[in-house]
Amino acid sequence: AQKVTQAQTEISVVEKEDVTLDCVYETRDTTYYLFWYKQPPSGELVFLIRRNSFDEQNEISGRYSWNFQKSTSSFNFTITASQVVDSAVYFCALISYSSASKIIFGSGTRLSIRP
Amino acid sequence: DGGITQSPKYLFRKEGQNVTLSCEQNLNHDAMYWYRQDPGQGLRLIYYSQIVNDFQKGDIAEGYSVSREKKESFPLTVTSAQKNPTAFYLCASSIGRGAGTEAFFGQGTRLTVV
Repeated sequence: AQKVTQAQTEISVVEKEDVTLDCVYETRDTTYYLFWYKQPPSGELVFLIRRNSFDEQNEISGRYSWNFQKSTSSFNFTITASQVVDSAVYFCALISYSSASKIIFGSGTRLSIRP
Repeated sequence: DGGITQSPKYLFRKEGQNVTLSCEQNLNHDAMYWYRQDPGQGLRLIYYSQIVNDFQKGDIAEGYSVSREKKESFPLTVTSAQKNPTAFYLCASSIGRGAGTEAFFGQGTRLTVV
């Protein structure tokens, strides 16, 4: 079975604070891919990052960073020095190779950044 | 510009009527998807298609139907059998099987039953 769990339903922080969004996944495959998407109020999902199961290097892109740990089946997302424009719903997703193209999404975390 | 186009953006339907949501992509992607999102909820997979003339049920296929006659198009019909169709519907596409590439999403269709 494949599953993505985002235990944090909502997070609210004050601008300029750092915030981490948690993602825990389940899959029996050794080959899989993990993603993060941002959904602003407009509704369209915006792709942020992809990581394959053989690459555990952490990645940093500006104020965004991702921590992939296979030992704990986690793929956490950190926003440093948050800004109001970061307010959105963030989804973690998984594709396992054996399930072909089927993308499994977590339930999302609603992030609110207060001025 | 390459991308995914969903139409219409807003759709109103009377109870008991079927309605079809359009999804077109010009990214030359093999795989296409339909997701449903309810207020404050995550995305639930309705149907997906990995190749033309083939599609598979997702987790909540009951009351929905799809077709994939062309690579570029993956329309979703919400039938009268769908008990609670009011929701936000998102279409997506990706390169396809085994590629593990990201999916690209349309802007969504908000369906309201009146």
